[in-house]
Amino acid sequence: NAGVTQTPKFQVLKTGQSMTLQCAQDMNHNSMYWYRQDPGMGLRLIYYSASEGTTDKGEVPNGYNVSRLNKREFSLRLESAAPSQTSVYFCASPGGTGTFGAEAFFGQGTRLTVV
Amino acid sequence: GESVGLHLPTLSVQEGDNSIINCAYSNSASDYFIWYKQESGKGPQFIIDIRSNMDKRQGQRVTVLLNKTVKHLSLQIAATQPGDSAVYFCAEITSGTYKYIFGTGTRLKVLA
Repeated sequence: NAGVTQTPKFQVLKTGQSMTLQCAQDMNHNSMYWYRQDPGMGLRLIYYSASEGTTDKGEVPNGYNVSRLNKREFSLRLESAAPSQTSVYFCASPGGTGTFGAEAFFGQGTRLTVV
Repeated sequence: GESVGLHLPTLSVQEGDNSIINCAYSNSASDYFIWYKQESGKGPQFIIDIRSNMDKRQGQRVTVLLNKTVKHLSLQIAATQPGDSAVYFCAEITSGTYKYIFGTGTRLKVLA
């Protein structure tokens, strides 16, 4: 997925460990998002950043923190991982080339397992 | 990826047939809609979009239909190919907000 890069692609954590998921976009977009994707459920918004310097809670923010480091980078931190946070995490950034300009580009995802 | 698709409704079609994937959206104030395709192990990819002041929009082999009366969106894929096998999501957006609301998705399986 051109333009949005996530690291790492896979991660296994023990309960209580912490980690930071990194996301960077090179499209000069203002907005960036973090979603989680679980079996049988749609993408759920964790946090979003409408512009550099601002962040807001989404639908499922508990257990997470974010940092909008600069216009390019938006990181997601799990301070004390729990098994309920086992999921696939996607970073996205809208402002694409769809007809009406609101297409969101997605990263490849981070598959996180908490044991 | 595969683990996401396990609990989704599945549509199986023969190669060469047309596919119709449906989506019910929730917010009558949504004024912009997107269809995404997600292949196994990848992030969602844009297919086609439509504004609420339109009923129909066509792309290459795909058509999106919007029925605002019943809050329903559909994606039609003509002459379905094996490469179309994926999970398809709709998303609704309200202008002036930053929130995309995604449907749960439909898994499309193309049979040879």
